[in-house]
Amino acid sequence: EVQLLESGGGLVQPGGSLRLSCAASGFTFSTYAMSWVRQAPGKGLEWVSGINGGGGSTYYADSYYAESVKGRFTISRDNSKNTLFLQMNSLRAEDTATYYCAKSSSGWSGWDHWGQGTLVSVSS
Amino acid sequence: QSVLTQPPSASGTPGQRVTISCSGSSSNIGSYTVNWYHQVPGTAPKLLIYNDSRRPSGVPDRFSGSKSGTSASLAISGLQSEDEADYYCATWDDSLNGVVFGGGTKLTVL
Repeated sequence: EVQLLESGGGLVQPGGSLRLSCAASGFTFSTYAMSWVRQAPGKGLEWVSGINGGGGSTYYADSYYAESVKGRFTISRDNSKNTLFLQMNSLRAEDTATYYCAKSSSGWSGWDHWGQGTLVSVSS
Repeated sequence: QSVLTQPPSASGTPGQRVTISCSGSSSNIGSYTVNWYHQVPGTAPKLLIYNDSRRPSGVPDRFSGSKSGTSASLAISGLQSEDEADYYCATWDDSLNGVVFGGGTKLTVL
């Protein structure tokens, strides 16, 4: 059974940093692209970043970012530990959202499994 | 303002057929396949339709997807109360070099 378990969310001040993790199990992690998708309270879904499978744990994986987070967020993965990461720096109030990790099954926007989400709140 | 345009709301009575549209451009829907998601508030989204019209295993055939040019549609037939949820379309966009979503459509079963 595929499982995605996010962690690392919490309350942070504007300008601060957080690192989200997504522990994956139940599938061959290294062969699937993964993404982070967020949802601000009461709002719609917003894609944040995606990274391709990368093969081996030391293989450089291509990554992509939404304009709203480019230069501030970094996506990465450790295929040896079946874990996806999102390093978030220079956080702003508008980054407040539930962050989901999602496994791609069809292209970059077809995610067949999602985590339960982790809440990030940016406030002073 | 979302890159893909969906109606903010839709409604129908049990047993009816409803459609939800998703309008884009040549850089997104016109060039890439569309995926649809269903989300009950407070829970994670669920893949409903992928590659424009394919259903993942477990999704009832009451749900169908189609695409023509730069627009896509989700149709739900035999509407049931449990279909009440938010629905989103998504695809890749060449101009933005990223994934774009529609703003979401809240479906109400009257």
